[in-house]
Amino acid sequence: AQSVTQLGSHVSVSEGALVLLRCNYSSSVPPYLFWYVQYPNQGLQLLLKYTTGATLVKGINGFEAEFKKSETSFHLTKPSAHMSDAAEYFCAVSEGFQKLVFGTGTRLLVSP
Amino acid sequence: DAGVIQSPRHEVTEMGQEVTLRCKPISGHDYLFWYRQTMMRGLELLIYFNNNVPIDDSGMPEDRFSAKMPNASFSTLKIQPSEPRDSAVYFCASSPDYDNEQFFGPGTRLTVL
Repeated sequence: AQSVTQLGSHVSVSEGALVLLRCNYSSSVPPYLFWYVQYPNQGLQLLLKYTTGATLVKGINGFEAEFKKSETSFHLTKPSAHMSDAAEYFCAVSEGFQKLVFGTGTRLLVSP
Repeated sequence: DAGVIQSPRHEVTEMGQEVTLRCKPISGHDYLFWYRQTMMRGLELLIYFNNNVPIDDSGMPEDRFSAKMPNASFSTLKIQPSEPRDSAVYFCASSPDYDNEQFFGPGTRLTVL
């Protein structure tokens, strides 16, 4: 069975600071990995995905994530946080694009 | 494109009542998914359809839950009878094909008193 662990239910950063949201996964097959963002009262929006190929994946809004098989990790980073990045972020794993297994989410708080 | 449309956006009902949640996927999308989001369990896949046919309903919590997709542009998730523990946000998502991302609707917030 696949699973995702997101360390830290809340992460606080100052505007302009580095954003690092952690995600570790467990999968018995080569995983597909995803990061989604959820703004208040909205559905989830795909930030980026890893399927095969290049392990450093760039997404929307300046976010990127690196697939590290040896560490079973797929951490999300952004060099400089904006106030508009405040939201909840979900990491997900699957064998394909269909049966996604989500982590419990990390709420990002950005202070001026 | 209007995106995935869900109705109602909020539903408050009393225990024992029947609840029907509705979803209109993005036109041309062959896959439709129903998810439930709670504080305790996070985001869980309940069921998904391909070309209107249920493919995997292993996430449906119990017989009180049922989902249908009578045509390519409409799906329902029904809870009968509803219980307070069913209170959650229910999301519908659609995907154009097997190898593509899922697009989520805004969700329906269900409160069962």
